[in-house]
Amino acid sequence: GESVGLHLPTLSVQEGDNSIINCAYSNSASDYFIWYKQESGKGPQFIIDIRSNMDKRQGQRVTVLLNKTVKHLSLQIAATQPGDSAVYFCAETVGNNDMRFGAGTRLTVKP
Amino acid sequence: GEEVAQTPKHLVRGEGQKAKLYCAPIKGHSYVFWYQQVLKNEFKFLISFQNENVFDETGMPKERFSAKCLPNSPCSLEIQATKLEDSAVYFCASAMYATYGYTFGSGTRLTVV
Repeated sequence: GESVGLHLPTLSVQEGDNSIINCAYSNSASDYFIWYKQESGKGPQFIIDIRSNMDKRQGQRVTVLLNKTVKHLSLQIAATQPGDSAVYFCAETVGNNDMRFGAGTRLTVKP
Repeated sequence: GEEVAQTPKHLVRGEGQKAKLYCAPIKGHSYVFWYQQVLKNEFKFLISFQNENVFDETGMPKERFSAKCLPNSPCSLEIQATKLEDSAVYFCASAMYATYGYTFGSGTRLTVV
């Protein structure tokens, strides 16, 4: 079946650096994408989303980029902080169907 | 309330025993979703409800797993005759819409021994 996946399972960055977490998807019909952050012992927490009619969306310290040509999604975190350490998941929906997740990337921020 | 409440937080069952997990969605949310997460890996979609009706059950194992959302009661996910491979964290989410605005609970960690 079609899936949402990630290029790198782990990412380690220095505090203050920018982080980029990548996600590849294979369903060209996907029209809505979401990034979630999961801290230890907690459920996924919404970070930012983007619809397929957009290429870029910015939030506070986070930016999501969507490249539909190569079916690639990325999450950029500016000035990464220790509190950003978590597992990050991308997710997608198609039409009126419910959400499907990809595998996570563990981000570790070194002080 | 403004949070999805899942109970219990932890559940230990011997192989072959029944496990029942509960989820109270946010008031006003019509949709409830169940996901299974094994070892911090990806979330496997199990089933979703629109009010008390099954919306999508394509992820539900055919045997042993069942779920309900009845009016004025928490939603439930039940596993009959648990197996070791059922050990996972089960997350519930609720939303006003099927495709976005999901709020997740903190999960129930099921350990089958």
